[in-house]
Amino acid sequence: QVQLMESGGGVVQPGRSLRLSCAASGFTFSRYALHWVRQAPGKGLEWVASISFDGSDKNYADSVKGRFTISRDKSQNTLYLQMNSLTSDDTAVYYCARWLQYYYGMDVWGQGTTVTVSS
Amino acid sequence: QSVLTQPPSVSGAPGQKVTISCAGSSSNVGAGYDIHWYQHFPGRAPKLLIFANSDRPSGISDRFSGSKSGTSASLAITGLQAEDEADYYCQSYDSSLSGYVFGTGTKVTVL
Repeated sequence: QVQLMESGGGVVQPGRSLRLSCAASGFTFSRYALHWVRQAPGKGLEWVASISFDGSDKNYADSVKGRFTISRDKSQNTLYLQMNSLTSDDTAVYYCARWLQYYYGMDVWGQGTTVTVSS
Repeated sequence: QSVLTQPPSVSGAPGQKVTISCAGSSSNVGAGYDIHWYQHFPGRAPKLLIFANSDRPSGISDRFSGSKSGTSASLAITGLQAEDEADYYCQSYDSSLSGYVFGTGTKVTVL
């Protein structure tokens, strides 16, 4: 079935790096744009980054610009989020989601992976 | 703080109707960008409820409906059920931020 599954979360010290992965299955990976969305403890959903279907266009929230990098590997059907210079404000559950195009919204989401930035 | 403002909470008795507002501005909702609505149970994956302001994905109950006018949008839930207790978020694009934005979120409580 159509599925997205995140991995790579964990506990990391401030200033360190972490890479999240999102494995896609059950659909044609190369047709969909992909997003990372996070939810900090007690807070709402926050869009983090997006990448176009072919990887040519990438966009970031101001809160992560210059520190996070989104990428995708079509041979592995996997989305990535490289997170550098982490701070406690980056502590959150990170979700990946897909959309065919903006009009259709984010129609499939993963279950999330938890990132905790703490010394 | 998000540029899309929702009431923190709404509540209603079983069977009643509740409406959740999503107030934006001329750089997002008012600029013509479509609004999507998501339902989120804590600890679970968010779920798309409404796309493009008022369309429902396959499998979504017709108890959920969306509308948009000017710089705001709204989600209505009719025939409220206990299973509707969740957090709800609107989502759009903001041209000033050059990025996608979620609303502040609304917790629905069934009394």
